[in-house]
Amino acid sequence: SQTIHQWPATLVQPVGSPLSLECTVEGTSNPNLYWYRQAAGRGLQLLFYSVGIGQISSEVPQNLSASRPQDRQFILSSKKLLLSDSGFYLCAWSVGRGHGYTFGSGTRLTVV
Amino acid sequence: AQKVTQAQTEISVVEKEDVTLDCVYETRDTTYYLFWYKQPPSGELVFLIRRNSFDEQNEISGRYSWNFQKSTSSFNFTITASQVVDSAVYFCALSGYGTASKLTFGTGTRLQVTL
Repeated sequence: SQTIHQWPATLVQPVGSPLSLECTVEGTSNPNLYWYRQAAGRGLQLLFYSVGIGQISSEVPQNLSASRPQDRQFILSSKKLLLSDSGFYLCAWSVGRGHGYTFGSGTRLTVV
Repeated sequence: AQKVTQAQTEISVVEKEDVTLDCVYETRDTTYYLFWYKQPPSGELVFLIRRNSFDEQNEISGRYSWNFQKSTSSFNFTITASQVVDSAVYFCALSGYGTASKLTFGTGTRLQVTL
């Protein structure tokens, strides 16, 4: 069966520090991968998506970047965190064509 | 561009009341999919339902039911005899049919069920 792992679950980082969040998927090949962010009390905003290794599309200009070094690995990074980067980050995968989207358990990031 | 609107920001009901969460969507696609997710306080997103644009049959699953009306671009969600465990944020979402389709979410409706 397919599973998605996301870590860490919570993270507190100082302003200006780097960030690396990792997401891995098991049990499927060539999935579409997505990073969403949910600011406090807000909806979910798509940040990045990837349809294959090394292929990254950015939805909104921001302080973050994403990479897909392996088929089932999706990484969200920042060189210098801002206070506005605080939020709940969710990774998801799908095979497209209307199939469902499966979400990881999320990382709650607080930038202080 | 796709858009999902959930006009109700927050709803409070007393246990055992019925409650309907509204969802209105916009898309230019002829084939698309609609979803509802539940987000309990722990934060994870729990999948509830997926409907494709060609299937307008209403669906019932236990105390949950969904009303899809293409004519009004709505996909409403009703909880019958609400329970405290139903308290959560509920998101309506829309995706296209392509291989690289993206899921667009509404802003969510926070449902508070009290005793």
